[in-house]
Amino acid sequence: GQQVMQIPQYQHVQEGEDFTTYCNSSTTLSNIQWYKQRPGGHPVFLIQLVKSGEVKKQKRLTFQFGEAKKNSSLHITATQTTDVGTYFCSIISNSNSGYALNFGKGTSLLVTP
Amino acid sequence: IAGITQAPTSQILAAGRRMTLRCTQDMRHNAMYWYRQDLGLGLRLIHYSNTAGTTGKGEVPDGYSVSRANTDDFPLTLASAVPSQTSVYFCASSGGPTYGYTFGSGTRLTVV
Repeated sequence: GQQVMQIPQYQHVQEGEDFTTYCNSSTTLSNIQWYKQRPGGHPVFLIQLVKSGEVKKQKRLTFQFGEAKKNSSLHITATQTTDVGTYFCSIISNSNSGYALNFGKGTSLLVTP
Repeated sequence: IAGITQAPTSQILAAGRRMTLRCTQDMRHNAMYWYRQDLGLGLRLIHYSNTAGTTGKGEVPDGYSVSRANTDDFPLTLASAVPSQTSVYFCASSGGPTYGYTFGSGTRLTVV
């Protein structure tokens, strides 16, 4: 199935600094979803992007879908300690048996007070 | 509260033993999924079911089997556990391909 590459693998920032994680595909995507997983927790759905060039905001989080629908980014403005966790992008993979999400390997964010 | 229930929360299992991880959802979602999560490897799809009565293989299906007898339940069975199956297992469900997934709290399995 389709795969996505996510970078960076890790990011360590001081509280108040900005953070960005990128998700890249070699093929055109129908949509992309983003999830957050707190340490010791389970992934939680954040948002889905569908349209070329789409930009969506959730408070300090800004999600973008590239014009060619091959890449996406998640930007956090002025990070807080509550932003700590791993952020995953995911894409739909279709086969004869059906569909399922394939996840990138995630970006782990550590925020130091 | 609507959601997904996984059981057990954690388990230590002797190699060669059979084990079934349970997953139940009450959201009437058609699709359900099993992922395993290992450090540095992210979430890898084991098996999935887009509707009751059907199942499909994911990226890492070997050594695992599933069944989907009804909408709510999607058990994952390890027929003969091996140490490489030590992992955190997450069950998830969704209302369809354009909906976000809801994940269970996970089962931490250690095979010794």
